[in-house]
Amino acid sequence: EAGVTQFPSHSVIEKGQTVTLRCDPISGHDNLYWYRRVMGKEIKFLLHFVKESKQDESGMPNNRFLAERTGGTYSTLKVQPAELEDSGVYFCASSLRTGGRDTEAFFGQGTRLTVV
Amino acid sequence: DAKTTQPPSMDCAEGRAANLPCNHSTISGNEYVYWYRQIHSQGPQYIIHGLKNNETNEMASLIITEDRKSSTLILPHATLRDTAVYYCIVRVGTGAQKLVFGQGTRLTINP
Repeated sequence: EAGVTQFPSHSVIEKGQTVTLRCDPISGHDNLYWYRRVMGKEIKFLLHFVKESKQDESGMPNNRFLAERTGGTYSTLKVQPAELEDSGVYFCASSLRTGGRDTEAFFGQGTRLTVV
Repeated sequence: DAKTTQPPSMDCAEGRAANLPCNHSTISGNEYVYWYRQIHSQGPQYIIHGLKNNETNEMASLIITEDRKSSTLILPHATLRDTAVYYCIVRVGTGAQKLVFGQGTRLTINP
């Protein structure tokens, strides 16, 4: 069974440009999460999808970030326009359920974003 | 979610048991204890979780004190590949499922 996959693994863009990160969750997982770690800081939650609906987007830093999950399958996270402080590693995770058993989140390898 | 306190770093000899402590003195009755680890440049990896009973799986054991204010993750026979940052996280078992990562414990397994 394939795990959570993220594309690209690395991205280097100039300040002001747009970047779109993609996450494919484990098949059948309705719950999809985005997290990020910026340099020297802790891993921080960004948002949580249940199928195609945003369950919790309290961690989104500002309106330059747009997350979508059309059809409840893969998700994209767009940063437009990118700023220097957006550099970091963006992780995607998915889980089968939010309660009871099978609530553990499985993470992808992350996308390392560098804004120059 | 309750906060957790972990030592910033620990060392353990290869082949020995690694015992990683975590304090969560303000844990609520409906909050579970989760452990994740992050091996360098990889995504966080789920290890184990529990509510109040001790748990064991193929990776580790989780010992939770009777008052649930602290817990210990045990890697029974540590290998070099267990070198990683280990995160102890408490969160409710239902509803909002975001993980709140702290600084974790950087565990180094020495040959």
